[in-house]
Amino acid sequence: EAGVAQSPRYKIIEKRQSVAFWCNPISGHATLYWYQQILGQGPKLLIQFQNNGVVDDSQLPKDRFSAERLKGVDSTLKIQPAKLEDSAVYLCASSPGEKSYEQYFGPGTRLTVT
Amino acid sequence: KQEVTQIPAALSVPEGENLVLNCSFTDSAIYNLQWFRQDPGKGLTSLLLIQSSQREQTSGRLNASLDKSSGRSTLYIAASQPGDSATYLCAVRTRSNDYKLSFGAGTTVTVRA
Repeated sequence: EAGVAQSPRYKIIEKRQSVAFWCNPISGHATLYWYQQILGQGPKLLIQFQNNGVVDDSQLPKDRFSAERLKGVDSTLKIQPAKLEDSAVYLCASSPGEKSYEQYFGPGTRLTVT
Repeated sequence: KQEVTQIPAALSVPEGENLVLNCSFTDSAIYNLQWFRQDPGKGLTSLLLIQSSQREQTSGRLNASLDKSSGRSTLYIAASQPGDSATYLCAVRTRSNDYKLSFGAGTTVTVRA
């Protein structure tokens, strides 16, 4: 079974630029999560999708962050414009269902904003 | 709001020594608690999940205990190996947080050969 795929793995941008991350979850997984992990901290949930609908985006900075899940499969997370404090690893995870405790994480995208 | 704390932030031990990793949480009304492992450049891998009704869970050399009343969990790794070097994260789910994972900052373990 293929795992959660993310790209790119690394990205360096200047502040005020825009960036997009892509996630392909495990086939058949209905629930998809995006987490932000700042260096030295644990992951923080940004947004949760159930199929192609948003379940929770309460911690997503909506003035600069946006996310969508195309046809309930792949997802993209965008930051526009980026700030220095957005430097972090962005983790995507998927699970079979909304109430499942099995979350499978991708390798993450490390973003550096200079 | 649930706060999860892991102390120490880093730990270095010689190979063969037993590891003891601590996790504390402020809201004792948890639904379950999960321990993850994170290797550099990789995602998180679930190690053990303890339901609120359980006192401990075991998997191979790993044993996790849960004391809800004191708001603590401990992960024990027996006979550590260099391959155990990683960051270990504790996360809890509570009904008040709609069962979302609240993570600690992790303990980075180095096992010296």
